[in-house]
Amino acid sequence: NAGVTQTPKFRILKIGQSMTLQCTQDMNHNYMYWYRQDPGMGLKLIYYSVGAGITDKGEVPNGYNVSRSTTEDFPLRLELAAPSQTSVYFCASSYSPGGSSYEQYFGPGTRLTVT
Amino acid sequence: AQKVTQAQTEISVVEKEDVTLDCVYETRDTTYYLFWYKQPPSGELVFLIRRNSFDEQNEISGRYSWNFQKSTSSFNFTITASQVVDSAVYFCALSESFYNQGGKLIFGQGTELSVKP
Repeated sequence: NAGVTQTPKFRILKIGQSMTLQCTQDMNHNYMYWYRQDPGMGLKLIYYSVGAGITDKGEVPNGYNVSRSTTEDFPLRLELAAPSQTSVYFCASSYSPGGSSYEQYFGPGTRLTVT
Repeated sequence: AQKVTQAQTEISVVEKEDVTLDCVYETRDTTYYLFWYKQPPSGELVFLIRRNSFDEQNEISGRYSWNFQKSTSSFNFTITASQVVDSAVYFCALSESFYNQGGKLIFGQGTELSVKP
């Protein structure tokens, strides 16, 4: 049981390049989330998904796209990378029986630098 | 609007001291959930506690305790007899009504705790 896994761990992008951050969970959780953490700050929600085929924007979605074709995978796509997207990206998942908020399980993070 | 405020940016204590991390939240929902997460220097996020808005009982887990007071919209975290391994950034987070908000977490900016030997 690996929990939430993210790849890559580190990446350096040039301005204008694109990339996909991968996230996979093996806990059969229906909810998945992408957050970003800027230095000295808390996490901010980029996108989330309540199940396969359903996604919605969070607080800071601009410059990103997501898809959820399976329960396990929730990739985050960066198009036309900008220096403002330099951050640590965390993927998380949770299970919500009965509509209650339960703890989110976080992946180890991807440290992205855009130069 | 929902918001979480952790007014203490950094706290430094000497080992064995007690320390309290403050968390104040704002929400219009009557049903909500509060969380604390720990982020050690290695960077991962570790879940510590979850509390729903209908349960105001304080909780103790070993050296950790939490004080939830709806009257002051606070959910403070106390570490008793701190240890060097407690050095980390601690985040308080809020999740509102699940059906409306999808369980998404609103984080405070974090408190960096440094415990010196």
